[in-house]
Amino acid sequence: QSVLTQPPSVSAAPGQKVTISCSGSRSNIGNNYVSWYQQFPGTAPKLLIYENNERPSGIPDRFSGSKSGTSVTLVITGLQTGDEADYYCGTWDSTLSVLFGGGTKVTVL
Amino acid sequence: EVQLVESGGGLVQPGGSLRLSCAASGFIFNNYWMTWVRQAPGKGLEWVANIKLDGTERHYMDSVKGRFTISRDNAKNSLYLQMNSLRAEDTAVYYCARWGGYGSGSFYDWGQGTLVTVSS
Repeated sequence: QSVLTQPPSVSAAPGQKVTISCSGSRSNIGNNYVSWYQQFPGTAPKLLIYENNERPSGIPDRFSGSKSGTSVTLVITGLQTGDEADYYCGTWDSTLSVLFGGGTKVTVL
Repeated sequence: EVQLVESGGGLVQPGGSLRLSCAASGFIFNNYWMTWVRQAPGKGLEWVANIKLDGTERHYMDSVKGRFTISRDNAKNSLYLQMNSLRAEDTAVYYCARWGGYGSGSFYDWGQGTLVTVSS
C-alpha cells in the first residue's frame, strides 16, 4: 500500500466535475509541496499541478489543485473524454523518500 | 525542448545486473536533481532513487539500497542506474525524470521509459 491514499477510481459524465483526493500525514503532505501527474496508458506521466496549486504552462485551468492540512485535492471541471487517464499525487517525506499515491483512474461516462 | 532518453533495459535473469542510461538535453543538466522512477506492469508509480546536482547526495528506496547505484556525468549530461542482484519484483518500466529537489518536489519532465524484465 502507498503511504499516500487515493481512491482507485472516480467517474463522471462529460462536462461534469470530478474530485480526486490524496491523503497523507504531517511528515509528508503536511509539511511539503504536492504535485499531480496525469498518465495515459502506455505513456510517461506528465506534470499537471506543482506546488499544491500551480499549473505548468499549457495545462488548462479546468485542472486545479488545493491543499488542506494533510490532504490535497485535484479537481477537473468540464470533464472531457480526453481526460480519461490515471492521476497520481506525489510529494516527499521527512525521511527524504519520495512518495506517490496509488493512482486514481478517471472514467468519463 | 527538454528531452530525456533512457536506454539499457532488457531481459535479465534473477541475480543478474543491468545498467540503465538517460541522455538529457534541452536544459542545464547540472542545475537539477535527477531521479529514477519505475512502474511495474499494471501498477502505480514508484520512486527508486535520486541524485543531487553535483552527485554529492543520493537517496534510495529501501528495497533497492545496497543493490542499485544512481550516478551522473554532468560533462555528458547523462544519468545512470546500475542495478545488481536483480529480482523478479524489479521488473518494471524505468523512467528517468528531471526533479525539483527537496523543495518543489515536482517531476518536471519524464523520459519515455525503458523496460526491465527480470525472469529466468
